[in-house]
Amino acid sequence: NAGVTQTPKFQVLKTGQSMTLQCAQDMNHEYMSWYRQDPGMGLRLIHYSVGAGITDQGEVPNGYNVSRSTTEDFPLRLLSAAPSQTSVYFCASSFTANTEAFFGQGTRLTVV
Amino acid sequence: GNSVTQMEGPVTLSEEAFLTINCTYTATGYPSLFWYVQYPGEGLQLLLKATKADDKGSNKGFEATYRKETTSFHLEKGSVQVSDSAVYFCAPRDSSYKLIFGSGTRLLVRP
Repeated sequence: NAGVTQTPKFQVLKTGQSMTLQCAQDMNHEYMSWYRQDPGMGLRLIHYSVGAGITDQGEVPNGYNVSRSTTEDFPLRLLSAAPSQTSVYFCASSFTANTEAFFGQGTRLTVV
Repeated sequence: GNSVTQMEGPVTLSEEAFLTINCTYTATGYPSLFWYVQYPGEGLQLLLKATKADDKGSNKGFEATYRKETTSFHLEKGSVQVSDSAVYFCAPRDSSYKLIFGSGTRLLVRP
């Protein structure tokens, strides 16, 4: 029972590089979201999706793009990494927007 | 805007001590309320939830009661264990169904 799977677990990028953080869920959940976790700031919502083909911005969307071509996958793209994007990133999914959220194990990203 | 205030940590307790972690929130309407727990190196897991006023969520010996009049959802446990050491997040879900996380409270339980 995989749940929410994030890859990679760790990544180091140079400033200006691009990369995609992968998130996949096998629970047929409609609602998926991306958060970043920074010390002393809790989790902040980056982008979310209420279903395939539908995405919207959260609290801190700048510098990130998302797409939702399938129900299962919700990748997060950093087009030009900046040191301010050093953080731990969590993907979450839920059956609907109002039900329990399940989280992935996280991706620790360092931008140098 | 909507927000959550949690007591600052770390909270350090001896095993079998009583635990309270305070949480108050501001949100429009009557949000569902959640406590999530994050063990070292892991993602967040749902600990308990309450969906309407006066509901009590409970799990693994933890409890929290939805207090509409004080907009609070304090987490309690009667006797903590070393294995409860983790970071605890209070999170109401706002009227647009987004989870709003507090900054988290780190709990350290010593043997």
